[in-house]
Amino acid sequence: KAGVTQTPRYLIKTRGQQVTLSCSPISGHRSVSWYQQTPGQGLQFLFEYFSETQRNKGNFPGRFSGRQFSNSRSEMNVSTLELGDSALYLCASTSWAGGSDEQFFGPGTRLTVL
Amino acid sequence: QKEVEQDPGPLSVPEGAIVSLNCTYSNSAFQYFMWYRQYSRKGPELLMYTYSSGNKEDGRFTAQVDKSSKYISLFIRDSQPSDSATYLCALKTGGGNKLTFGTGTQLKVEL
Repeated sequence: KAGVTQTPRYLIKTRGQQVTLSCSPISGHRSVSWYQQTPGQGLQFLFEYFSETQRNKGNFPGRFSGRQFSNSRSEMNVSTLELGDSALYLCASTSWAGGSDEQFFGPGTRLTVL
Repeated sequence: QKEVEQDPGPLSVPEGAIVSLNCTYSNSAFQYFMWYRQYSRKGPELLMYTYSSGNKEDGRFTAQVDKSSKYISLFIRDSQPSDSATYLCALKTGGGNKLTFGTGTQLKVEL
C-alpha cells in the first residue's frame, strides 16, 4: 500500500507570494491533518479535514487555509508569505474521524521564503 | 507552560546501551500516546502507539504510560547507530485527530 505523498517536496518563494501544497493520503484514509515544523516551535497542528470538512484548526493566522476533495486529497494554501513561514509542512492521514487509529506522515514539503 | 514537555537533548550513547526517552504532560484529557522517529529531512515515522497505562513492547522498543503521573517513556534496548534520529512523543485526546507533540529528543548512538 502506498504511503502518504506530498508535492512538491521543495519550494522556494519570496515574501508576499502565495503557495499551494498538496497531500495524497493513504488509499482508504479519509482524514488528513497538516502540521508545520520549525526548529524553534517544533511540530504544530495547522488543521484537520475529514470528508471534505474542516474538523479542527490550530492557532495560525487566516493566511493559512486548506481544503479537501472528494477523493480525500488535500491542499493547503499560504497567502502573503512571510519569512517566518519557512518550515517543513507535513501532512498525516488516518482512516477515520478519531479515536484509536494511527496517523501516518508524509515526507513533507520544505518551504523556503526569501 | 507547554502541554507536553520533552527534553530536547542531544543525547549521546554508545552502541548497545539502553536508551530512555521521556515526556510529561499536563492535560489529563490526553488518551492516546505515540512515539515517532524522525530522521533528518524526513517525515516522522510511527514507532509505538498506546492508549492505556502500562507497558507495550515491540522488538527492541518498549513504551510505558503512567497516566496518574502524566508521564510517558520510550525505552530502546541494544541501541544501534541506525537508531540515531529525533524521537518525538505525540499525544491525542479522544476527539478528532489533532496531535500535540513534544519538542523531540535528538539521539545519537555511537560506535
